[in-house]
Amino acid sequence: EDQVTQSPEALRLQEGESSSLNCSYTVSGLRGLFWYRQDPGKGPEFLFTLYSAGEEKEKERLKATLTKKESFLHITAPKPEDSATYLCALLTGTASKLTFGTGTRLQVTL
Amino acid sequence: DGGITQSPKYLFRKEGQNVTLSCEQNLNHDAMYWYRQDPGQGLRLIYYSQIVNDFQKGDIAEGYSVSREKKESFPLTVTSAQKNPTAFYLCASSDRGKGNTEAFFGQGTRLTVV
Repeated sequence: EDQVTQSPEALRLQEGESSSLNCSYTVSGLRGLFWYRQDPGKGPEFLFTLYSAGEEKEKERLKATLTKKESFLHITAPKPEDSATYLCALLTGTASKLTFGTGTRLQVTL
Repeated sequence: DGGITQSPKYLFRKEGQNVTLSCEQNLNHDAMYWYRQDPGQGLRLIYYSQIVNDFQKGDIAEGYSVSREKKESFPLTVTSAQKNPTAFYLCASSDRGKGNTEAFFGQGTRLTVV
């Protein structure tokens, strides 16, 4: 059975304090790994897609990387507006279904 | 603007009633999905549809039903058989035809049983 585990569950950073969020997985045939940002009471917002080990994507203060067993979302010099829950999801199998992790709740304070 | 519209944003249901959640997209996507989100849990797939007039059960389909009569629309009915329907419901779509597999989400419907 495909499994996705995100850590930590919650992370509190001061503004400018860089860190990384982890998404580890066990799957039988990864077709893609996705990162989303979700604000309270809102739908997830798409950030990145990674397809193969060694791939990296960047957007502003965020950088996503992928290995054969895990993905990292690196946040460089975060700002309070980066506070949100970050979700990792896997695409496996022939149907376009996503399996989601439980997310990391990030809080960035001044 | 292209996007996914869910309505209503908030919905209250009495026990024993069926309710239908609306999801409309104007992105011309073939695939559409319904997820349920509960506190402390990841999004769980209820139903998905890859083409019009076809849909499949997800991981937690019991107590729910869907239809896909039009490409743009994928309504979800929460029936009285769903024992714990209070949750945040999210609709999504993706463009499988072009190999773009990322899913885009609506803003959600929060259903509360009163």
